Formats: sequence, C-alpha cells, structure tokens
Amino acid sequence: DAKTTQPPSMDCAEGRAANLPCNHSTISGNEYVYWYRQIHSQGPQYIIHGLKNNETNEMASLIITEDRKSSTLILPHATLRDTAVYYCIVRVDNQGGKLIFGQGTELSVKP
Amino acid sequence: KAGVTQTPRYLIKTRGQQVTLSCSPISGHRSVSWYQQTPGQGLQFLFEYFSETQRNKGNFPGRFSGRQFSNSRSEMNVSTLELGDSALYLCASSRNTGSQETQYFGPGTRLLVL
Repeated sequence: DAKTTQPPSMDCAEGRAANLPCNHSTISGNEYVYWYRQIHSQGPQYIIHGLKNNETNEMASLIITEDRKSSTLILPHATLRDTAVYYCIVRVDNQGGKLIFGQGTELSVKP
Repeated sequence: KAGVTQTPRYLIKTRGQQVTLSCSPISGHRSVSWYQQTPGQGLQFLFEYFSETQRNKGNFPGRFSGRQFSNSRSEMNVSTLELGDSALYLCASSRNTGSQETQYFGPGTRLLVL
C-alpha cells in the first residue's frame, strides 16, 4: 500500500502558485519523498525529490515539514500545461526500484 | 540524451494470445522497472531488472514475465492474455537500483485485448 495520502483533486488559476499537499505520517528516517506527474495517457514525469531539506529545481519546489510527516509541492506559476495527476511517493528503502503509486491529486489549472 | 523508449506504442491482441513488449532504457542506465496502469487499479509495479537479474517482483500472476539483456534493454511477456490485461504498460529506467535512484518513464505501450 502507498504510504501517502493526497487530496483527490484541486483547482488552480493560471499564473497562480499551485500548492499540492501530501501526508506521509509513517515515513522512516531514510525514506525519500518523490513527486511525479502524469499528463493524460503519457508516462509519468519526474518532478523533484527530497529527504529532509527543502528542494527547488526548474520545475517546482518541495517543502518537507521538520517532522517529515508531510510535504508540499509548489508550482510557482501554474500554466494550463501543468494540468495533470500529481503523485507523491515515499520510496521504501529495502524495495529497490519499486515505486508504490497512490491515487494522486488531479490538478486542473483554469484560465 | 535520448529518453526511455518503448515499442510498440499500441497493440491489439485477442484472448489467449501472448505478447512481448520492449523497453530501451536511457543510455548508461542499468535498472529497468515495469508497471501496469489500468483505470481500476491505477499504477502497479510488475518487476524490476538490474544487471540482467530480477530484483523485485510485484503481485502479478506467473503469466507476466520479463528479462533483461546485457545492453540493459528489457522485454516483458504476457502469456495467455485475458481481457483484464488491457492496460498501459510503462517501463522506467534508473542508473542503478535502490530507493535513491530517480526513475524516468517511457511513453508506454497501450495494449488492448479483445
């Protein structure tokens, strides 16, 4: 089972920041949080990942709470092309390359 | 650098047939994982191959099998196809195996079983 809980859907106005929450209250100290997104019928696209510290790249920022029980993915200026299903995944340390996907959050960016 | 490629992109088969799907990882990547995506079950892990060895396996029947070649390319095979095998099959590659290795996905093969 997925170790994460996400809201099933969210809306965001174009040009505004999209803040996608994820709860992972049972995360262990050495488990990473990964974010992927999937635009309809395409392969999932890697966005960002982190362990303890906040991370930023050209696509997004990842804010992880100090107790690591939750995180937020931030798309700073959402565009229509950011409409997708966003998956928050906790990588379990002893399961190698296995990704356990939950249901994700369906983000709709509206004009 | 070229991404993960999967062939064919679309496939139609009939019940009872078998099918082989192919995945070419990103150059330099040695781990390939396979996933099945259906509307009802979402994205589910099938198996992972690293250095030609299966490292992890999901909860799928033995009809689903795979292999990896010395050049890291991977194939998955489904025998005795059932209607419920209709799905998007995705492969992902990473440089090495392990939870700290970022996986990059291909576009998928959409299989329809009639």
